[in-house]
Amino acid sequence: DTGVSQDPRHKITKRGQNVTFRCDPISEHNRLYWYRQTLGQGPEFLTYFQNEAQLEKSRLLSDRFSAERPKGSFSTLEIQRTEQGDSAMYLCASSSTGTSGPYFGPGTRLTVT
Amino acid sequence: GNSVTQMEGPVTLSEEAFLTINCTYTATGYPSLFWYVQYPGEGLQLLLKATKADDKGSNKGFEATYRKETTSFHLEKGSVQVSDSAVYFCALTSNFGNEKLTFGTGTRLTIIP
Repeated sequence: DTGVSQDPRHKITKRGQNVTFRCDPISEHNRLYWYRQTLGQGPEFLTYFQNEAQLEKSRLLSDRFSAERPKGSFSTLEIQRTEQGDSAMYLCASSSTGTSGPYFGPGTRLTVT
Repeated sequence: GNSVTQMEGPVTLSEEAFLTINCTYTATGYPSLFWYVQYPGEGLQLLLKATKADDKGSNKGFEATYRKETTSFHLEKGSVQVSDSAVYFCALTSNFGNEKLTFGTGTRLTIIP
């Protein structure tokens, strides 16, 4: 068990470009979460999957954001037409019923210039 | 909705001092309570959790007791070390079938030798 992994770890993009992040959860964890963390704040919930079904989305997740978990394993988070306000650390976490957690990945730091 | 209020930081202590970081919460139902720790340059790590009233979570010398009557989950350690320097986040999940976390803003702890 290698833990939750995220790719890339850092992304710098120009305003208006699209970006996509990937998260690989702990194997056999059926729940996967995306959070966003800005400097000096705690993480804020964005969206949640149970297996491949996206069961909840935060109001923070504007229509420029989309997340998928096509086979109930890895997940992607895409941001279209990035804005400077999207600059943040994007965190992925996973858990499973009856286990401790959720467990977090190292995050992807996005900088929009 | 759910919310978590943490003791404002930063907190600076000498090595071997006693540590308390206050955390209070507002939630419906019977939430589970967590402390996560973020060491410099690393991702969020689950430190301890408690799932019902009067439960005590403990790990690495840290403890926190779920106090429903005072809606609190204060983090304590009897003798801190320089290696405990990190940002500590209190968090909760509702008991509604997922583990969506609501975080406090975090408390930065610095331990000086």
